[in-house]
Amino acid sequence: AQSVSQHNHHVILSEAASLELGCNYSYGGTVNLFWYVQYPGQHLQLLLKYFSGDPLVKGIKGFEAEFIKSKFSFNLRKPSVQWSDTAEYFCAVNAPTGGFKTIFGAGTRLFVKA
Amino acid sequence: SAVISQKPSRDICQRGTSLTIQCQVDSQVTMMFWYRQQPGQSLTLIATANQGSEATYESGFVIDKFPISRPNLTFSTLTVSNMSPEDSSIYLCSVKSPTNYGVDTEAFFGQGTRLTVV
Repeated sequence: AQSVSQHNHHVILSEAASLELGCNYSYGGTVNLFWYVQYPGQHLQLLLKYFSGDPLVKGIKGFEAEFIKSKFSFNLRKPSVQWSDTAEYFCAVNAPTGGFKTIFGAGTRLFVKA
Repeated sequence: SAVISQKPSRDICQRGTSLTIQCQVDSQVTMMFWYRQQPGQSLTLIATANQGSEATYESGFVIDKFPISRPNLTFSTLTVSNMSPEDSSIYLCSVKSPTNYGVDTEAFFGQGTRLTVV
């Protein structure tokens, strides 16, 4: 069965600090990878996605993620965080052969101090 | 994209009762999914609901406890039956429409239904 591991459950950063959130998945076949974000009081929304092609994908609000197939990883990065990035971040994976179900990691709560 | 409305947005229910959650989408979608997000935890998939067929449940979830309907391509319901305090959670409806060639898409989510069982 597919699973997703996020290494950091809570992260506290000061504004302008760099961010990297780790994500590993367990599935040997073709996968589609996602990062979703949930801002306080809002619904989940897509931050970025990787389906194929360039393993470095760029998303909204200056976020990017790198797919490293050999490491089964899809880490999220941002060079300089802002207070408005305070949110919960979820890494997710789905395998087309798995019926397009999206499996989520445990989530990382990011708090950015102003 | 898809806009999803869930009703109710929140409810407080007595144990032993049932609650039906509605999910309405503003466009026709192929696949609908129901998730549970327990306090402080991630999203756990309950079942996949496709129109015209029975819902497919994930391990640990059964139809008697979480019956699902999918009468058309824009609507689904999830019922939480015979509730206990352990069912207190946020229940989320999610949709996607993979292409006819099987190309996946992102999932869209509603605001969720916050259920408290007392």
